[in-house]
Amino acid sequence: DTAVSQTPKYLVTQMGNDKSIKCEQNLGHDTMYWYKQDSKKFLKIMFSYNNKELIINETVPNRFSPKSPDKAHLNLHINSLELGDSAVYFCASSQLGKRGYTFGSGTRLTVV
Amino acid sequence: DAKTTQPTSMDCAEGRAANLPCNHSTISGNEYVYWYRQIHSQGPQYIIHGLKNNETNEMASLIITEDRKSSTLILPHATLRDTAVYYCIVPNRDDKIIFGKGTRLHILP
Repeated sequence: DTAVSQTPKYLVTQMGNDKSIKCEQNLGHDTMYWYKQDSKKFLKIMFSYNNKELIINETVPNRFSPKSPDKAHLNLHINSLELGDSAVYFCASSQLGKRGYTFGSGTRLTVV
Repeated sequence: DAKTTQPTSMDCAEGRAANLPCNHSTISGNEYVYWYRQIHSQGPQYIIHGLKNNETNEMASLIITEDRKSSTLILPHATLRDTAVYYCIVPNRDDKIIFGKGTRLHILP
């Protein structure tokens, strides 16, 4: 069973569209994250949720809205997609006091 | 927040030990050192972490200097599959993992 799973794996869409990326973890972790990796390969944290509550919100356009229906899920909705949103988005989870973050395999978003 | 410094890239022959250094001279007494790696086109992968003592697990060993200002990640018998970008990270007060540029490790056949 995949510990942190993201869907879809690939997403190609036109500018101006609205899209969502889903993330689920079956590790029983209480914190989930979204990271963005751009074309230069820098990994930047975007959001963090702990037990369904937003605890980190980096300087991200408000077109990006995370939603956590329960502590096992953290979805990312993006409105009015722009070319610069093209990147690989990684979901991750962790449990306070336990080892490390577990990352998903990523969603490659291409905006055309 | 403690900043880390790593070499941009390193080469290592297959089968030899790969030693990846990291400087974290501003680390405070209760901050851990974490190591992650990212193999091409995959998500980052946790490797190991430590506070003061040396640590070993099934993937690697972590050697932390007595003054805690630097550490070395050791892959004892590197294979081609260990080619990746390795990140040395000291999480901030919020336990937030911030990735730097890391060290690109090439394992040579």
